[in-house]
Amino acid sequence: DMKVTQMPRYLIKRMGENVLLECGQDMSHETMYWYRQDPGLGLQLIYISYDVDSNSEGDIPKGYRVSRKKREHFSLILDSAKTNQTSVYFCASSPGTGYTEVFFGKGTRLTVV
Amino acid sequence: GEKVEQHQSTLSVREGDSAVINCTYTDTASSYFPWYKQEAGKSLHFVIDIRSNVDRKQSQRLTVLLDKKAKRFSLHITATQPEDSAIYFCAADHTGGADRLTFGKGTQLIIQP
Repeated sequence: DMKVTQMPRYLIKRMGENVLLECGQDMSHETMYWYRQDPGLGLQLIYISYDVDSNSEGDIPKGYRVSRKKREHFSLILDSAKTNQTSVYFCASSPGTGYTEVFFGKGTRLTVV
Repeated sequence: GEKVEQHQSTLSVREGDSAVINCTYTDTASSYFPWYKQEAGKSLHFVIDIRSNVDRKQSQRLTVLLDKKAKRFSLHITATQPEDSAIYFCAADHTGGADRLTFGKGTQLIIQP
């Protein structure tokens, strides 16, 4: 069963706390992504990972970092979260560069208070 | 960078009628144009796409038209059904695949009974 799994689904954090969002996929996909979705703004690419330890900034990387130590896992880290990082975060994966099938997870709703 | 504009934030049509959602893009290098559907509270999933080497693609009730001169593409849904109600996102990518998708802001399609 092809799946992108995100944990947790909902998270409330205080400003200044560290946040870890986890993503896993069971398709052995090379490429993984982190997007954020804000009302009226569509999805914006934060980071892309082409494989283990091969990560690249997306359009809005400031305030975020990522980690990919295993092909099936991709983490998004917010060091000292800010209120403007309140958003819905989507992880996605695709077979690799040049492929067009992109599978999205169900999202993590993060609220920073 | 690429900008994708989705001009209708909301579109309401009667069940059985056709719906057309329009998008424009700015980067002439963009060559791949997918559409994604997001139902309420759920993640995005792929519905249809078109590459720049064609100007029309149909899949059942869905048709995508691409006008490269005008840098415009559109999603046409015929014989709309209640399950078509969702937010539809258009996107564009210049990499040949889906590695650097730039999304529009989304169009809420409402199917009225």
